[in-house]
Parts: sequence; C-alpha cells; structure tokens
Amino acid sequence: QVQLVQSGAEVKKPGASVKVSCKASGYTFTSYYIHWVRQAPGQGLEWMGIINPSGGSTSYAQKFQDRITMTRDTSTSTVYMELSSLRSEDTAFYYCAIFRMDYWGQGTLVTVSS
Amino acid sequence: EIVMTQSPATLSLSPGERATLSCRASQSVDSYLAWYQQKPGQAPRLLISGASNRATGIPARFSGSGSGTDFTLTISSLEPEDFAVYYCQQRYNLFTFGPGTKVDIK
Repeated sequence: QVQLVQSGAEVKKPGASVKVSCKASGYTFTSYYIHWVRQAPGQGLEWMGIINPSGGSTSYAQKFQDRITMTRDTSTSTVYMELSSLRSEDTAFYYCAIFRMDYWGQGTLVTVSS
Repeated sequence: EIVMTQSPATLSLSPGERATLSCRASQSVDSYLAWYQQKPGQAPRLLISGASNRATGIPARFSGSGSGTDFTLTISSLEPEDFAVYYCQQRYNLFTFGPGTKVDIK
C-alpha cells in the first residue's frame, strides 16, 4: 500500500532552517509528483511547492520562492523540504502529498519559537 | 498567482439539509478545480477533481459544478460525518487553496 512517512516534530529558533523528509513506499517513486502543503494551527491549507521525483525539477509558490528548497533522493525514495529564515509565522503542520492519488503524509509539526 | 475565495466562511445547517458551497477564482481555471474535505486532526481528503468528477469512494450526495471562475460544491443531504471544513483548490496554474468553508451543525 502507498505510504508517505514524514520525519518527526521540530522546534527551531527564529532565523534557523528546518528540513523535513517524506519517505515514499508502495509505488514507483518516480511516477508521481510530490507536493508540500502546510497548515498553521487553526488555519487553512497553503500550497508550498512541488517536486518531480523523476528529474528533480521543482516549482514553488511565489510566497516561498526565496527561502524554500525541495530535493529528492531516488536511492531511498525520499523527498525533502527545507525552509530557511524561519519566523514564528512558519509554525505549522507540514504535509507531503501525492495529489493525483490523494495520499498524504502524517504531517510534521514545526514550531518556531525563541 | 491565482487567488481563490470561498463563501460563506461558515455554513450552519442541520443533518438532512442541502449544503451549497461557493468558490471563485481570480482568473479562469477552466475545469482545473478540486474540492477537499478536512476533519479535525486529519489530512485533507479529495472529494472532487476536474470540477465535477467524484474521487474514488466519494458518496453520490457530493457533487461539483462550474467552470472558468465560479464553482459550486453541493451536498444534497447532510450526513453527520459531513460536518467539516471544505477547501477548493485550483490546479490550472500551479496550485492554490481557497480559505475554506466550515460546515457546522445548527
């Protein structure tokens, strides 16, 4: 069965960076694009970007263009989302997802606090 | 960037009633529009893609319509498990979610 398993919760200080991983299994890793979506506590969904696991190409939401990087490791079927220059407003659950198949990771809580 | 808006922000209805949720795009998205349902503590669940195509396993009481800039999600008769937050999402130019409509129990 398809699974997306994310790394554990993180606590970061303002100005730091965080790197969240998403390990895929149960399907051919290079067959489906993977998205990252975040949700601040009590707030709505925010699309952050997409990566093509086959070639590694990416597209990011304008809001995050200058401080987000998505990468993948085909040897471990894992994608990564790194967000830099963290601020308190980045406190949120971060999800990886395959929209085409409607599979989602369990979410990773990133807390930014001094 | 395409901006999505949804109305109303909250819809208070009783089980068995019909729910009509609206979604508008700042520019045409053709039929590249999806609807998601989210319950507390859970990841979103895809209901509709292509503006009107129900996802696998979604009950027939959920229907989507519209094209261009104006879209509607209709729940014909609310079941207790349908009280949740609903998001529209455009897939025409990258991806954007709307702010959501909360359907709660009256």
